[in-house]
Amino acid sequence: AQKITQTQPGMFVQEKEAVTLDCTYDTSDPSYGLFWYKQPSSGEMIFLIYQGSYDQQNATEGRYSLNFQKARKSANLVISASQLGDSAMYFCAMREHLYNFNKFYFGSGTKLNVKP
Amino acid sequence: GAVVSQHPSWVICKSGTSVKIECRSLDFQATTMFWYRQFPKQSLMLMATSNEGSKATYEQGVEKDKFLINHASLTLSTLTVTSAHPEDSSFYICSARERTGVMNTEAFFGQGTRLTVV
Repeated sequence: AQKITQTQPGMFVQEKEAVTLDCTYDTSDPSYGLFWYKQPSSGEMIFLIYQGSYDQQNATEGRYSLNFQKARKSANLVISASQLGDSAMYFCAMREHLYNFNKFYFGSGTKLNVKP
Repeated sequence: GAVVSQHPSWVICKSGTSVKIECRSLDFQATTMFWYRQFPKQSLMLMATSNEGSKATYEQGVEKDKFLINHASLTLSTLTVTSAHPEDSSFYICSARERTGVMNTEAFFGQGTRLTVV
């Protein structure tokens, strides 16, 4: 089974509007971390936000917030007030803390296009 | 934040030659570094996990004799693509975790290397 599933290959959003990028995960590890990365066309991976499985509150970092629904095993990224510079690939990732602590599992990515 | 530097950013080589890619952690010690391969419009595929001072652990299906990994110090890991062929053309990206690595530390990524074999 896929560890990380991103069902939206591509998304469009109007500048200044909010957008939600979906991510679901699958693990039997009781302790895990969820990450979102942004990859612009230049290729580098930029860390955006982290959510721990035991965190009580949803993580927020500036315009990024993570809608963490543990029972549904989803960790959607919400970008508020989209900017043209947000156009990029976005990857959801997970690291299991008890099993395979070092390994990151990445989803297939969502390409976000912000329209002016 | 922590910085990982990857060099070169891009390289073109002839078929049959070898190419070395370097991954350096600039301001922290990285006991573990990871090497990924990414095909166009696809996700990152983990190739191997490199631990300082020991042999790399390769993922299933990755040829260890073709993709040689060396992690000789806490700040440097290298990936050598030996006898490169056009099908090895891809985007290779490394990441590193800090020595003290607590649970919520993200992996810091290099800028990636675009390899084209002609």
